[in-house]
Amino acid sequence: GAVVSQHPSWVICKSGTSVKIECRSLDFQATTMFWYRQFPKQSLMLMATSNEGSKATYEQGVEKDKFLINHASLTLSTLTVTSAHPEDSSFYICSAGIEVLEPQHFGDGTRLSIL
Amino acid sequence: QKEVEQNSGPLSVPEGAIASLNCTYSDRGSQSFFWYRQYSGKSPELIMSIYSNGDKEDGRFTAQLNKASQYVSLLIRDSQPSDSATYLCAGGGGGGNKLTFGTGTQLKVEL
Repeated sequence: GAVVSQHPSWVICKSGTSVKIECRSLDFQATTMFWYRQFPKQSLMLMATSNEGSKATYEQGVEKDKFLINHASLTLSTLTVTSAHPEDSSFYICSAGIEVLEPQHFGDGTRLSIL
Repeated sequence: QKEVEQNSGPLSVPEGAIASLNCTYSDRGSQSFFWYRQYSGKSPELIMSIYSNGDKEDGRFTAQLNKASQYVSLLIRDSQPSDSATYLCAGGGGGGNKLTFGTGTQLKVEL
């Protein structure tokens, strides 16, 4: 149980393109999902908390207009990197948990490369 | 600010030895603690969860929690080369379900 699916796993696109990443909870409902970014050899950095039916909560320093999050259902959250530039190239990972004190389960991640 | 601290390593142990990974946390309100394993280029994978003081064993893995000392550890017995990865300690439940992650400890198990 507690499977989180993330798609796509790899994206290569030109600078200025907007990229959408999907995160789905396959066998449970997730009122809250989390989006992380990880640069090479660095730790996970929480970008935002995605709340079903309401606005996402962004961490300090994360541009909400740059990284659009939509959590339209209990099983799907999307992260859109708008007008992506090379500095946005990174490994983006989503996670979700079933209960408040239970562990988060991670998707496989999306490797984004902006040329 | 809530913090979880880990030694970045690398921690090198010979195959078959016990690897000991340590973590401290600052938020006394944290109620749940997790160890994740992350291979290079992959997303984190849950190894252990622990919620109460003491030891919790699962196969070759033992998690230890000491809330008075704000200390969490992970022991890996009979370490294998396949255990070579970065191990992330995380705490949560102290203010919503957001987890606070440490920076991770790189473990290298040498033949």
